[in-house]
Amino acid sequence: AQSVTQPDIHITVSEGASLELRCNYSYGATPYLFWYVQSPGQGLQLLLKYFSGDTLVQGIKGFEAEFKRSQSSFNLRKPSVHWSDAAEYFCAVGNSGNTPLVFGKGTRLSVIA
Amino acid sequence: DAMVIQNPRYQVTQFGKPVTLSCSQTLNHNVMYWYQQKSSQAPKLLFHYYDKDFNNEADTPDNFQSRRPNTSFCFLDIRSPGLGDAAMYLCATSRLLHTDTQYFGPGTRLTVL
Repeated sequence: AQSVTQPDIHITVSEGASLELRCNYSYGATPYLFWYVQSPGQGLQLLLKYFSGDTLVQGIKGFEAEFKRSQSSFNLRKPSVHWSDAAEYFCAVGNSGNTPLVFGKGTRLSVIA
Repeated sequence: DAMVIQNPRYQVTQFGKPVTLSCSQTLNHNVMYWYQQKSSQAPKLLFHYYDKDFNNEADTPDNFQSRRPNTSFCFLDIRSPGLGDAAMYLCATSRLLHTDTQYFGPGTRLTVL
């Protein structure tokens, strides 16, 4: 069975600083990987996804993520964080079969001035 | 704009009093999902519809039921809400089952008194 680990429960960064949120997955074959963001009291919004091809994926709001098969990782990055990026970030893994997405427990991002 | 709409945004019910949450979509997607999300936790899939085919997750309590009268609408019925059912309920849609991008509604926050 597939699983997702987001090691960091809560991260605080200064506005303008760079950001990296970690995601590790467990799955035998090539996974389908997603990053979603959830603002307080809202639903989830897709930031980016990886199915195949180029391992560096560009998403919305200036985010990118890199799939590293050797490390079973799909870390999310942003070069310069804005205060509006404060939210909960969820990594999720799926596969080509009919099994549901598995979400990580999320990383809460706080942005300070 | 095409979107996923959930009503109401906030629902208060009494212990044991049936409640129905509503979801509608203008995306014309085949799949509709219901997730339960408790505070600071990952969304947990309760069930999904692929067109008219209903699939219940193995650990979804019998207290939770769903109806999809047409492509656009899906309902979540909680027959006898308990205090432990207080949560955010998220509806999502996708074109393809599980592997495709899921589009989430803003959620319904359920309070059980």
